[in-house]
Amino acid sequence: DAKTTQPPSMDCAEGRAANLPCNHSTISGNEYVYWYRQIHSQGPQYIIHGLKNNETNEMASLIITEDRKSSTLILPHATLRDTAVYYCIVREGYGGSQGNLIFGKGTKLSVKP
Amino acid sequence: DGGITQSPKYLFRKEGQNVTLSCEQNLNHDAMYWYRQDPGQGLRLIYYSQIVNDFQKGDIAEGYSVSREKKESFPLTVTSAQKNPTAFYLCASRSQPGQSLNNAEAFFGQGTRLTVV
Repeated sequence: DAKTTQPPSMDCAEGRAANLPCNHSTISGNEYVYWYRQIHSQGPQYIIHGLKNNETNEMASLIITEDRKSSTLILPHATLRDTAVYYCIVREGYGGSQGNLIFGKGTKLSVKP
Repeated sequence: DGGITQSPKYLFRKEGQNVTLSCEQNLNHDAMYWYRQDPGQGLRLIYYSQIVNDFQKGDIAEGYSVSREKKESFPLTVTSAQKNPTAFYLCASRSQPGQSLNNAEAFFGQGTRLTVV
């Protein structure tokens, strides 16, 4: 079972920041938070991941709370092409089955003009 | 360019027939995965392989089989024992578990949509 909880859907106006929340209250000390997104009928695309510190790359920022029980993915200036299902996943960084990605249902983000 | 390729993109199968979905990667990744996705649902893990000649069952392996004879290839066979095979199938790969997490993200193919007619 997925170890994360996300809202099923969200809307965002084009050009505004999209803030996608994720709860992972049972996360363990060696589990990372990963974000992927899936545009309709395509394979998921990696966005970002982090352990404790906030992370930023060319696609998004990841804010992880101090207790690590929740995180927020931020798309700073959402465009229509960011409309997709966003998956938050927690996973160990080690080998074995614990390293597998377990997907929940994600959040369907709709960016509107 | 390096990447992961699934073929075909669309596949139709008659009930009772086995069918094999192809997944090839030239990323030199050790680990490969097969997922199934049903409409409006997340991905569910069917099988995974962390090294050549070894593979493990995922959460929904019944009615499926795989092989991993080469590092680059991880074909999935949907057998006639799979009761509800119509779905979107996704293959993924990533660098060896346990190695640098800078390379820890998984790369996905574009999927194969299987329809049983």
